[in-house]
This record gives sequence, C-alpha cells and structure tokens, in this order.
Amino acid sequence: NAGVTQTPKFQVLKTGQSMTLQCAQDMNHNSMYWYRQDPGMGLRLIYYSASEGTTDKGEVPNGYNVSRLNKREFSLRLESAAPSQTSVYFCASRSTGTTIFFGPGTRLTVL
Amino acid sequence: GIQVEQSPPDLILQEGANSTLRCNFSDSVNNLQWFHQNPWGQLINLFYIPSGTKQNGRLSATTVATERYSLLYISSSQTTDSGVYFCAVGNTGGFKTIFGAGTRLFVKA
Repeated sequence: NAGVTQTPKFQVLKTGQSMTLQCAQDMNHNSMYWYRQDPGMGLRLIYYSASEGTTDKGEVPNGYNVSRLNKREFSLRLESAAPSQTSVYFCASRSTGTTIFFGPGTRLTVL
Repeated sequence: GIQVEQSPPDLILQEGANSTLRCNFSDSVNNLQWFHQNPWGQLINLFYIPSGTKQNGRLSATTVATERYSLLYISSSQTTDSGVYFCAVGNTGGFKTIFGAGTRLFVKA
C-alpha cells in the first residue's frame, strides 16, 4: 500500500496563477481532508469530505475549491493564487473510528 | 466549533528527563490522536486514543473524555524525540478533525 500520495511535492506560482493539488489514497477510507501548515504553526483544516460525493468547509476555506473525484481521490484547487497561500499543504484520509493518515505534503510558494 | 488547546507551547529537556504534554478540548469527541512532526516535516502517528490509556515503549497517553483532556507522557527522553507534538480531535457526530497549536519539544544531549 502506498498510503496517501500527493502531487506535486514542490510548486512555485506567481500571484494570480491557478493550480490543482492532487491527492489519492489506497486504504479504502471514506473521509479525506486538506490542511495547510504555515511556518511555525499548527495544521488548519481547509476542506474535508466525509464520504464520496460530499464536501464541507473547514476552518480556512476562502480562496480554495475541492473536488472529491471518487472514493480514492480528493483534489484542492487554487483559482487565483496569493502570497498568503504560501504554505505546506497536507492531504489526509481515515475511516470512521480509526487513525487519520497523512500524505508527505506539498510545499507551495506564491511569489 | 470545537476548540483545542495544548500546553506547554515550548519545552526544553535534558536527555533522560521525563515530560507530560497536555491537550484540552471544548466538546465531546469521537476521536483523538497524538502526532509527532519531525524536523523534516513528516507527521507520525503516535496514538489513536479517544478514551483510556495506551503505551508504546517510552511513550504513553491517557484520555479522560468526561473531563475533556488528554495527556502524552514521554519518559527517558532522547534527542530524536525533538520536534512538535500535536493533538488532533474530532467532535462526536461529525467528521471534522481539528489540530491544536502543538508543543515544540527540544531535547538537549
């Protein structure tokens, strides 16, 4: 099992550009999550998907959109990147009543 | 929404010392986890512990759900224990999982 995979690992954008962060899990988990972690800070929830076909806002959803493409995949889109979105983005997944597993993260810099 | 507070925010230990990290939460929870984030940014699962006590080597954790807190114990600390320790909770009836701000631990040789 690969667990939770994320692409890309690193990305540099210019202000106003758009991009999509990809996430996939092979553990047959129902719920998937996107978090951001700013330098020296904790993780903040952007969006989550409790199950295939549903998505909900987390603590910091502004400037982002998500798509739960199927049970395995959950993507995060930045439509018009801003310097304030410079961060490390983590995708995670879990099933009800079990451990949450994290991907390795995507380091995004917006110039 | 549910609030999560961790203490202390920073901790410096001499190698071999013991420590206790605390996580308080504001609502009933159906899941609680402790993580260690190493200096390379990797998040490592330590315990899934919505209630009760668990031990794994030098680490142990206790969650008292009725009093809304969890404790992580580190005994005989080693330099490799350095990093940030996070508590993450999900409230009963929901799927949100929220993180505390973390405890930053530095273990001196």
